[in-house]
Amino acid sequence: EPEVTQTPSHQVTQMGQEVILRCVPISNHLYFYWYRQILGQKVEFLVSFYNNEISEKSEIFDDQFSVERPDGSNFTLKIRSTKLEDSAMYFCASTPDPTNNEQFFGPGTRLTVL
Amino acid sequence: QKEVEQDPGPLSVPEGAIVSLNCTYSNSAFQYFMWYRQYSRKGPELLMYTYSSGNKEDGRFTAQVDKSSKYISLFIRDSQPSDSATYLCAMSVDFGNEKLTFGTGTRLTIIP
Repeated sequence: EPEVTQTPSHQVTQMGQEVILRCVPISNHLYFYWYRQILGQKVEFLVSFYNNEISEKSEIFDDQFSVERPDGSNFTLKIRSTKLEDSAMYFCASTPDPTNNEQFFGPGTRLTVL
Repeated sequence: QKEVEQDPGPLSVPEGAIVSLNCTYSNSAFQYFMWYRQYSRKGPELLMYTYSSGNKEDGRFTAQVDKSSKYISLFIRDSQPSDSATYLCAMSVDFGNEKLTFGTGTRLTIIP
């Protein structure tokens, strides 16, 4: 069964460093999302992406964040200058069908900022 | 008032019991309702998806939506130890390219 994949599974970085989290959505999906989950807290929406453009972004998604679909398969989240509070699980999700909103999630990347 | 409220538990029930998980919400514009299961340190896995009010059944799982009360439920029949996980409710206003708003999740343990 097709699934969303994410790499790396765990990323450790120093505060102020740039990180890129990578996702490969399911191949025929059209809508892509990033969410994050700080340990012990709820899953929070960061950004949605369709047709090579950001559709919506949350207040969390400030100028330090960017997303890109550099080719036909990858979808990336970049954090330019990481802060301690960016430590969280980051989930990529995708939706196949514009007539519903079933979002399929990847396994996540655990980001630890030291 | 939080947009989506969910009792975090933990909830422990014996194997074979019926489990009831619930969420309430404040935004009456929500129309699409989902239940996700999340195992420890894994991504959310979509279990059930419903549109507007009513019931939906899939095997041992039944999802109910009562929009008039802004209340959704997930029932698990004949619960199994493998059902032990955190259950997240999620909802959205529209379909297509639309963010999900999640509850905090209820941690469920099924005791053999």
